[in-house]
Amino acid sequence: GNSVTQMEGPVTLSEEAFLTINCTYTATGYPSLFWYVQYPGEGLQLLLKATKADDKGSNKGFEATYRKETTSFHLEKGSVQVSDSAVYFCALTRDGANNLFFGTGTRLTVIP
Amino acid sequence: EADIYQTPRYLVIGTGKKITLECSQTMGHDKMYWYQQDPGMELHLIHYSYGVNSTEKGDLSSESTVSRIRTEHFPLTLESARPSHTSQYLCASRGRGSGANVLTFGAGSRLTVL
Repeated sequence: GNSVTQMEGPVTLSEEAFLTINCTYTATGYPSLFWYVQYPGEGLQLLLKATKADDKGSNKGFEATYRKETTSFHLEKGSVQVSDSAVYFCALTRDGANNLFFGTGTRLTVIP
Repeated sequence: EADIYQTPRYLVIGTGKKITLECSQTMGHDKMYWYQQDPGMELHLIHYSYGVNSTEKGDLSSESTVSRIRTEHFPLTLESARPSHTSQYLCASRGRGSGANVLTFGAGSRLTVL
């Protein structure tokens, strides 16, 4: 079946620290992979995506590379800011699928 | 700027009341979804729709019902609310073509049942 396993949180970092949030997946075929972000009191927003192996998605200084050999899509940012404090969800879908499959979410808190 | 709107954003009601959470999108998307988000943040799909007059139950069993009479509107109803229904409810939609795999979410409706 299809599933996403995401690094458990919460994660607390100091401003300007390096961020990695691990995400691995199980899927048949060739899924598309996503990172969504949920800021306090809001819905989810698409942060970045990758649709095939070796694609790198990037946005707002965040990056993630679709690694088929390790079935991973880890989220990274070189220097986090307080405004990055949010919950991050890894997700996958396949063409024609009814739904996206979400990880359990990782709460990031960045302290000044 | 939001293209998918949820109302109310916050609702506190007593047990036994009937409530409807509204969700509207202006993007002409065929597919719409309702997720329930528990305090641990995990998202559970409770309903989805492929288009007008199409509704399906999701992975998590829910006592709520939905309807899809118009493409842009996908309301969720609880006939008799209970404290166990206290949660955040997120509506989402997705379209076709290059954006077909991307979900657009509303801001959510936080329901508290006393």
